[in-house]
Amino acid sequence: EAGVAQSPRYKIIEKRQSVAFWCNPISGHATLYWYQQILGQGPKLLIQFQNNGVVDDSQLPKDRFSAERLKGVDSTLKIQPAKLEDSAVYLCASSFGQGYNEQFFGPGTRLTVL
Amino acid sequence: GQNIDQPTEMTATEGAIVQINCTYQTSGFNGLFWYQQHAGEAPTFLSYNVLDGLEEKGRFSSFLSRSKGYSYLLLKELQMKDSASYLCAVEDGNYQLIWGAGTKLIIKP
Repeated sequence: EAGVAQSPRYKIIEKRQSVAFWCNPISGHATLYWYQQILGQGPKLLIQFQNNGVVDDSQLPKDRFSAERLKGVDSTLKIQPAKLEDSAVYLCASSFGQGYNEQFFGPGTRLTVL
Repeated sequence: GQNIDQPTEMTATEGAIVQINCTYQTSGFNGLFWYQQHAGEAPTFLSYNVLDGLEEKGRFSSFLSRSKGYSYLLLKELQMKDSASYLCAVEDGNYQLIWGAGTKLIIKP
């Protein structure tokens, strides 16, 4: 079974530039999560999708971050414009459903904002 | 508010046993996960507890006490490859996952 795919793996940008991350979840997984993980901290949920719909985006900085999941499969997360404090690893995870469902994580995208 | 507490860092010796504690205060409870995360890698699932008691899986065991808001992860026969961060995460009453900051475990020969 193929795992969660993410790209790119690494990205370096200047502040105020824009960046986009892509995620392809495990086939058949209805729930998709985007997390931000700063070094030494646990993952922070940015947004959770159930199929096409948003379940939770309460911690997404909506003035600069946006995410979409078209056709209930792939998802993109965009930051525009980026700030220095956005430097982090962005993890995508998927699960079969919600509740008692192990989340499977992709390798992450390490973003450095200079 | 919702809160998960874990020690920041622990050190143990190869071949020994270590217990990593997690205490939580959440709005409702539906289950507790433990994940392992090696440096520079994504978290991987270790265990899930929904009922009180001990769940054993090879060298790793996880314990839950819902009345005390407490869990621990027990690692036996420690190996150098067990050096990693261990993340405790609680599913609250809305099935949202609340993550702890993780415990960095350092194994010394």
